[in-house]
Parts: sequence; C-alpha cells; structure tokens
Amino acid sequence: AQKITQTQPGMFVQEKEAVTLDCTYDTSDPSYGLFWYKQPSSGEMIFLIYQGSYDQQNATEGRYSLNFQKARKSANLVISASQLGDSAMYFCAMREEGEGKLIFGQGTELSVKP
Amino acid sequence: GAGVSQTPSNKVTEKGKYVELRCDPISGHTALYWYRQSLGQGPEFLIYFQGTGAADDSGLPNDRFFAVRPEGSVSTLKIQRTERGDSAVYLCASSPPTRDTQYFGPGTRLTVL
Repeated sequence: AQKITQTQPGMFVQEKEAVTLDCTYDTSDPSYGLFWYKQPSSGEMIFLIYQGSYDQQNATEGRYSLNFQKARKSANLVISASQLGDSAMYFCAMREEGEGKLIFGQGTELSVKP
Repeated sequence: GAGVSQTPSNKVTEKGKYVELRCDPISGHTALYWYRQSLGQGPEFLIYFQGTGAADDSGLPNDRFFAVRPEGSVSTLKIQRTERGDSAVYLCASSPPTRDTQYFGPGTRLTVL
C-alpha cells in the first residue's frame, strides 16, 4: 500500500498568490514525522518544513506552512506569496517512529507564472 | 557550514562494470542515508547507517549493492555488475543526533550504457 500520496502531478499558480500542495499518508504508527522537500531542476533536495505527529500546532517556516489534519491523515503544504523561484518539484515524505528512512510521495511539479 | 557532498556528480559506465559512489556527510551528523531516484519518481530508500553500522539495509535491491561507512563519516555505495536498470540519481543524506530532519547532497547521476 502506498504510504504517501500526492495526487497533483502538476500545479500552476500566479506569482504572488498562495498555493496548496496536497499530501495524504497512511500509517498505523501513532508517532511519526512529516516532511516537505523542494527539488529544483538542479536536482538537490531542499528541506522546507517538518511536522511531528504529536505537535499541537501546524508548523510554519517563513512563507511555508503545513496544514496538518491528523484525523484525515493529510499534511498539505501551503506556500504564500508565490515567487518565480518557487517553481520546482515538491515532495512530501514520512518517517515512522523507530525507522530511519523517509518514505516519499511521487511529487508535485509547481510552476509559478509571472 | 558545508553541506553533504557527493562525488562524482556524474558517472557513466558500461553494463557489467563496478562503480563506487562517495558521500561526505555534514560534520557531526551521525546518521547517513542512501536513496535512489529514478526519473519522474520520488527518492526510494536504500540503506541507513547509524555510526559505522548499517541500521537498516532493507532497501538494497539485491546483493550487487553494498555500502560501507568504516569510520562513521564518509560512506561509499558500491554497485557490482551494473545493469542498465541501475541508471538513476543516487542521493545521500545525513542527519544530526538530535533531529529527524535529513539534509541531502546534490546526488550522483549514474548512467549505465
């Protein structure tokens, strides 16, 4: 069973607008972490934001925020005030308690239009 | 400070050859991870080291793949008898002792002709 699902292969957003990238996950472990990474065309995976399953508040990092809905098992990434440099692939990932590995989704390609 | 570095950045080899890919983690990071990313896919886990020992090698696809981290710092991923299906970007990541976050290197693009 796929543990991380990103249903949007591609998304477009106008510069300066906000955009939400969807991520749902599947785990029976009560303790886990959720991550978002950005991968520009250069190929490097850039860490954006982290949410722990027991965190009471949604994580925020600058223009990035994570809309964490535990009961729905969703961890959507919200990018506010999009910039041209935000154009990239975005990956959602999960790490279960006691595991080292990250499990990644298929990614969403975001294109920011001027 | 310096990030995770990987060498070479590109490697082209012929089917059946042996290759080594190197990863130099961020100083002080105790955990090191290898992933493989095929075109259009998310990274897939290969192996994870905590210190010198492999804590989880469940992602290695077969016994042609092997990785070492003899001194708990630099790691080498070794692929024997390469096949065309091994062509991918091999990503290395490291994480510090007190955080879950993994920081990735730029990757090695392996092409098997």
